[in-house]
Amino acid sequence: DVKVTQSSRYLVKRTGEKVFLECVQDMDHENMFWYRQDPGLGLRLIYFSYDVKMKEKGDIPEGYSVSREKKERFSLILESASTNQTSMYLCASSLDHTQYFGPGTRLTVL
Amino acid sequence: AQKVTQAQTEISVVEKEDVTLDCVYETRDTTYYLFWYKQPPSGELVFLIRRNSFDEQNEISGRYSWNFQKSTSSFNFTITASQVVDSAVYFCALRGTNTGNQFYFGTGTSLTVIP
Repeated sequence: DVKVTQSSRYLVKRTGEKVFLECVQDMDHENMFWYRQDPGLGLRLIYFSYDVKMKEKGDIPEGYSVSREKKERFSLILESASTNQTSMYLCASSLDHTQYFGPGTRLTVL
Repeated sequence: AQKVTQAQTEISVVEKEDVTLDCVYETRDTTYYLFWYKQPPSGELVFLIRRNSFDEQNEISGRYSWNFQKSTSSFNFTITASQVVDSAVYFCALRGTNTGNQFYFGTGTSLTVIP
C-alpha cells in the first residue's frame, strides 16, 4: 500500500510567519507534487519535483518555495504567510502514471 | 491544451438510485491517462481508477463502472445503487505524455446521497 503522510492535518499561523508543510512518502517514488485546493477552483499545482534537489514550478508558485533534500520528503515553504494562502494543501507522489495523495493540511492564516 | 471539464457541480440522489458523473477532456496527446478520484469529507483524495488512452474497454468494479469513449472525449463514472458512504466530491483527471507529466484536474462533482 502506498503511504503519503503530511505533518499536520490542521495548522493555524499568523500573517508574516514562515510556514513549513512536510510531506513524506514511503514507496520510493520519484515524483512528488504540492497542490492547493480552494472551493470552486479545484486542485491547482504549486510545485512538483522529479528527483532529489530538483523542482519545477506549477501553475501558482508565487509566494511558495519547496525543498527536496531526500527522495522521500518534499517540503512546501511559505516564506511570509498571507491570508490569501488560507487553503487546503495536498501532497501527492507517483512512480508510474498514478498520483497518490496524502490526507491534506488545512492551513488557516490569521 | 489539456483540460478536464466536470459540468455537474453538485448532484443529489436518494439512496439506491443510480448516478452518473460526467467527465469531458481535451488533449492533443496521442497517449494519455484518465483518472477518477474520490474525496470524502475527511479530505484525502482516494484513487479509484486509471484508464489508458489505447484501452477503451469499459470497466466495472462492484457498484462502480466507467465508460470511456474516445469519440466523444468522455470518461463517465456510474455508481449503481448508491449508498450514503458514496457521498463525496469526485474528481476526474487527465495526464498527458507529450506535454509534460502534469495532472489536470476537473473542478469536481459533489455527490450527496440522501438516506
